[in-house]
Amino acid sequence: GAVVSQHPSRVICKSGTSVKIECRSLDFQATTMFWYRQFPKQSLMLMATSNEGSKATYEQGVEKDKFLINHASLTLSTLTVTSAHPEDSSFYICSARPKSYWGNNSPLHFGNGTRLTVT
Amino acid sequence: AQKITQTQPGMFVQEKEAVTLDCTYDTSDPSYGLFWYKQPSSGEMIFLIYQGSYDQQNATEGRYSLNFQKARKSANLVISASQLGDSAMYFCAMREGPGGNNRLAFGKGNQVVVIP
Repeated sequence: GAVVSQHPSRVICKSGTSVKIECRSLDFQATTMFWYRQFPKQSLMLMATSNEGSKATYEQGVEKDKFLINHASLTLSTLTVTSAHPEDSSFYICSARPKSYWGNNSPLHFGNGTRLTVT
Repeated sequence: AQKITQTQPGMFVQEKEAVTLDCTYDTSDPSYGLFWYKQPSSGEMIFLIYQGSYDQQNATEGRYSLNFQKARKSANLVISASQLGDSAMYFCAMREGPGGNNRLAFGKGNQVVVIP
C-alpha cells in the first residue's frame, strides 16, 4: 500500500514552454503533499508544501509564480513549471502524507520523480 | 544552519560485509523523528527505517539497523550482509515536532557501491 505515482518520469521541453508534473496517491488520501527538487548528486530540497483545498506554502527562495502548485483533490497534486529555462532542468520528486497518519513516525511516501530537461 | 550532516565520501563495500553510514543532526526540539531513505540510480526514494526521539531501543528493520546515540545526536545506519542491490545513495532525514506538517530535512547523502 501507500503508492505514489508521479508522471511523467522524464520530460524534455523547449525554453519558454510550461511543463506540468502530476503526483497521485493511488491507494490512500493525502491531505498534504510535498514537492522537492534535486540537483545531480545533491540532496533533496523542499520547494513547497501543498495542502488539499488551500494555497501551497513555498520555501524561501522558491518563486511561487514560477512553480505553480495545485492540490485540487485528496489524491492529486500538480506542479507546473512555467516559462521553463535551462536552469530549471532538474529532478523533481513529490511525496505524500496519508490522511490517516498523524504520528511522528509515519514515513513520507515518494513518487518516482520526474527528470526535467529544458533545452 | 544545516540540520542533517552526512559527510562520508563515497564508499565501496564488499558483498556480504556490513557498512555503517554516519548521520548527525541538529535540533532543539525534544520531539523529532529520524528516517533513512535509499535512492537507487533510477531515482525513487525508498523508506528504510525510522527512529523516534523517545524510542528507548534502536530501530531494526531486516538487514537495516539504526545506531541511535541521542546525546551525540547521531543516527547511523548499519546495513548488514551487503548485497549488490544495496548500491545506491542513502539519505538521512529528520522531521521535527510532534507530527504536524511532516516536513523532512534531508542530509546530502552517502554513496554506497557494493562490489562482488
